Amino acid sequence: EADIYQTPRYLVIGTGKKITLECSQTMGHDKMYWYQQDPGMELHLIHYSYGVNSTEKGDLSSESTVSRIRTEHFPLTLESARPSHTSQYLCAIPRVAVNQPQHFGDGTRLSIL
Amino acid sequence: KNEVEQSPQNLTAQEGEFITINCSYSVGISALHWLQQHPGGGIVSLFMLSSGKKKHGRLIATINIQEKHSSLHITASHPRDSAVYICAAEGGSEKLVFGKGTKLTVNP
Repeated sequence: EADIYQTPRYLVIGTGKKITLECSQTMGHDKMYWYQQDPGMELHLIHYSYGVNSTEKGDLSSESTVSRIRTEHFPLTLESARPSHTSQYLCAIPRVAVNQPQHFGDGTRLSIL
Repeated sequence: KNEVEQSPQNLTAQEGEFITINCSYSVGISALHWLQQHPGGGIVSLFMLSSGKKKHGRLIATINIQEKHSSLHITASHPRDSAVYICAAEGGSEKLVFGKGTKLTVNP
């Protein structure tokens, strides 16, 4: 079973705070992805990386930023959180079995008060 | 209009009922995926289809490439089947386009 870890699972925090959502994987994949899922809505790709020092914006514009300094880690940062950032953020790596799309972490549910 | 449309958005059934969830897509695909998302947020892959039909236990998925339509069926539904079911179209370079999901509630 592929290991992809996201922390924290849940975060409730006040407006204006700087937030970093962690995503790490143990499979050595070059590709990693961040998705945003608003309540009751579909997942949208917000960032992806093809390897160390590679980051690209996804289909949905996001005020968050990402970095990829090490293969294992792909953190997402919000410099100044706002209530509009309230959402679920899911990290993913490429398929680990032939019948999968991508392999997802458990997600971080972020609530900005 | 989203490139991947699911219906219904919400579905409530009694235990034992036969369930059908539909997915229509307007993009070219290399594969069509059905995913299950539990209340905790984790996503589990159920099926990957490029043609025909697949069966796993009580779950059956079909796809009609010409009509750009796929269905997910659950036979003898059970309360533990309650979850959000998501259809995702895979294009080139593993790019995924997701439907909004169908929230299924199965009552005992």
